[in-house]
Amino acid sequence: GAGVSQSPSNKVTEKGKDVELRCDPISGHTALYWYRQSLGQGLEFLIYFQGNSAPDKSGLPSDRFSAERTGGSVSTLTIQRTQQEDSAVYLCASSYQATGTEEQYFGPGTRLTVT
Amino acid sequence: GENVEQHPSTLSVQEGDSAVIKCTYSDSASNYFPWYKQELGKRPQLIIDIRSNVGEKKDQRIAVTLNKTAKHFSLHITETQPEDSAVYFCAASTQAGTALIFGKGTTLSVSS
Repeated sequence: GAGVSQSPSNKVTEKGKDVELRCDPISGHTALYWYRQSLGQGLEFLIYFQGNSAPDKSGLPSDRFSAERTGGSVSTLTIQRTQQEDSAVYLCASSYQATGTEEQYFGPGTRLTVT
Repeated sequence: GENVEQHPSTLSVQEGDSAVIKCTYSDSASNYFPWYKQELGKRPQLIIDIRSNVGEKKDQRIAVTLNKTAKHFSLHITETQPEDSAVYFCAASTQAGTALIFGKGTTLSVSS
């Protein structure tokens, strides 16, 4: 079946502009995660959604970052007033449930470059 | 906060040798420890995982060991092959049991 998809695959934006990154999880997966991967770094947790529960936003680095998940499926990560340090690959993952002990399936990522 | 340390950051081995990657975690409540492999330009994929109720798990050439007392776990790859070359990430579940905290990764290079 179809895996996790993300769009766009690459995004170049000017400093100060807003960007929106999209994630389509695997159908039927109730948990959705956003991570950030900077060059040479690990996967930094940003936010997670589980069904209709309030999202865990504990990993968001600043109030310029926000995310929503509409209808329990597609999610959008928004970065306002982008800064050069926001340049990274943004990865989305989904799992059947958010039990913390299930495989997370990753999307291909969106490479964001802020000039 | 919760933290996962991973060593070494880079590892070079000859084909056929074994490779060992070690991770330590800080949260004693962590109970799930997956390992992901990320090939160049590709997405991370789960290769093996272990839960806190077992000390070792093996799947063909890869194995993972867990020492909960010492809060460390390791990935062992035997008879390495060039296609094992990739970045490997360890991770530990959070106290809330939802998101994962990842290590910074180990770049494994297997030369033939």
